[in-house]
Amino acid sequence: EAAVTQSPRNKVAVTGGKVTLSCNQTNNHNNMYWYRQDTGHGLRLIHYSYGAGSTEKGDIPDGYKASRPSQENFSLILELATPSQTSVYFCASGDAARFDTQYFGPGTRLLVL
Amino acid sequence: AQSVTQPDARVTVSEGASLQLRCKYSYSATPYLFWYVQYPRQGLQLLLKYYSGDPVVQGVNSFEAEFSKSNSSFHLQKASVHWSDSAVYFCALSTAGDNSKLIWGLGTSLVVNP
Repeated sequence: EAAVTQSPRNKVAVTGGKVTLSCNQTNNHNNMYWYRQDTGHGLRLIHYSYGAGSTEKGDIPDGYKASRPSQENFSLILELATPSQTSVYFCASGDAARFDTQYFGPGTRLLVL
Repeated sequence: AQSVTQPDARVTVSEGASLQLRCKYSYSATPYLFWYVQYPRQGLQLLLKYYSGDPVVQGVNSFEAEFSKSNSSFHLQKASVHWSDSAVYFCALSTAGDNSKLIWGLGTSLVVNP
C-alpha cells in the first residue's frame, strides 16, 4: 500500500544539537512537503520539493534545512535545535497531477530541551 | 492574497445530529478545494476534494461538501454524526499554480457527545 512514513516518531533533543527528521514515500509523487503543527497555528509549511535534488523554502524556513536525495526520501534538518522548534512535524507527498492533493505521514513529535 | 478561513475553532454536537463545518476561501480564479481530518495523535487524512463539475462532492465516511462560487465557500456536512467523528477538520485550497502548495485553514475541532 502506498504510504508516507516518518522516522523517528518521537525525538528528544538538546538545545544546540543537530536533528534530522526523515520521510519516505512510496506514492511516486514528485512533490514532498514538511510542515510543523502547533496549537493555534494550524499547519505551517517549512520546506518543499518538486523532485530529487530540489528544495524550496516554505513560509517558515528559518532554522531549518531540507534535503531531497531521491524521489522517495525527503529530510528535514535542524542544524542547531532550539526549544522554539519543539513541535509536531508532518511530511506529505503531493500529487501535482491532481491539483496538489497531499498525503500525510503519521508525524514526528520533537521536544527540544 | 489567497486565504482559507474556518470561522469556528470548535464545534460541539450530539451523536446522531447533523453537522456543518464552515470553510470560506479567498481566491480570484478557479479554486481546488479539500477537506482533511486529523484524529488524535495521527496525521491528516483526505476526506474529499473538489476539482470541478457537480458542486456537491461525496467523501469517505458519509461526509459531503458543497462548493459555492458565489459565496466563496466549501462547507462540510454530515447527516448524522457518530462519536468516532470527533477530530480536527481542516479545509485547504490549491491554486494549482507553479507553487504547488496548499493554503490551509486553522482547523475546526469537532466534539461529538455520546
